[in-house]
Amino acid sequence: QVILVESGGGEAQPGGSLRLSCAASGFPFRDYLMHWVRQTPGKGLEWVSSLRYDGIKEFYADSVKGRFTVSRDNSKNTLYLHMNSLKTEDTAVYYCAKDSGYRDWVLWDFDDWGQGTLVTISS
Amino acid sequence: QSALTQPASVSGSPGQSITISCTGTSSDVGVSNYVSWYQHHPGKVPKLILYEVVNRPAGISYRFSGSKSGDTASLTISGLQAEDEAHYYCSSYSTISTVILGGGTQVTVL
Repeated sequence: QVILVESGGGEAQPGGSLRLSCAASGFPFRDYLMHWVRQTPGKGLEWVSSLRYDGIKEFYADSVKGRFTVSRDNSKNTLYLHMNSLKTEDTAVYYCAKDSGYRDWVLWDFDDWGQGTLVTISS
Repeated sequence: QSALTQPASVSGSPGQSITISCTGTSSDVGVSNYVSWYQHHPGKVPKLILYEVVNRPAGISYRFSGSKSGDTASLTISGLQAEDEAHYYCSSYSTISTVILGGGTQVTVL
């Protein structure tokens, strides 16, 4: 059973920083590309970032490029999202999600999701 | 790159079939078989219901089916049930922006 648990959300001021974590269990974490997806209040889902299974290749939405950094520690089965220069429009519930592919066979989908962690950016 | 285009809402009576369209471009839906669909009930976590255009994950009802023609993908829900009332999102791999999602469609069961 795949379990993904996000943490690290909370309130921050514009220009501030936060680090989100996603603890994974129930599957071989080191073999799967992982994603971050967010849902802004009252709006839809937005893909944020993805990281290859070995951590070598990072992918970012234009809206966060240059401000967010995705990383992973496969020895700890944990995915991270380092968020800098935060903006009010970054306010959202952030989900980590597992791709249903395996290693280099990436399907660019969100197979399993965590419960999400709320990030609120406000002065 | 703008979001994939979905109708804001679709409705149907129990037992009917409905189809939700997801229109992209030749940079995403038109060139990618990595199109997926998600069901999202308020207060719950989104659920993958179709991947690679037509494939259903284990445990997903056969009533959900997918197709693609040109730049438009479609999700069909047959035998509509009350539990199908939710938001539905499409997603596609994009050669421009890696992953692009649709704006979401509210399905209402009348």
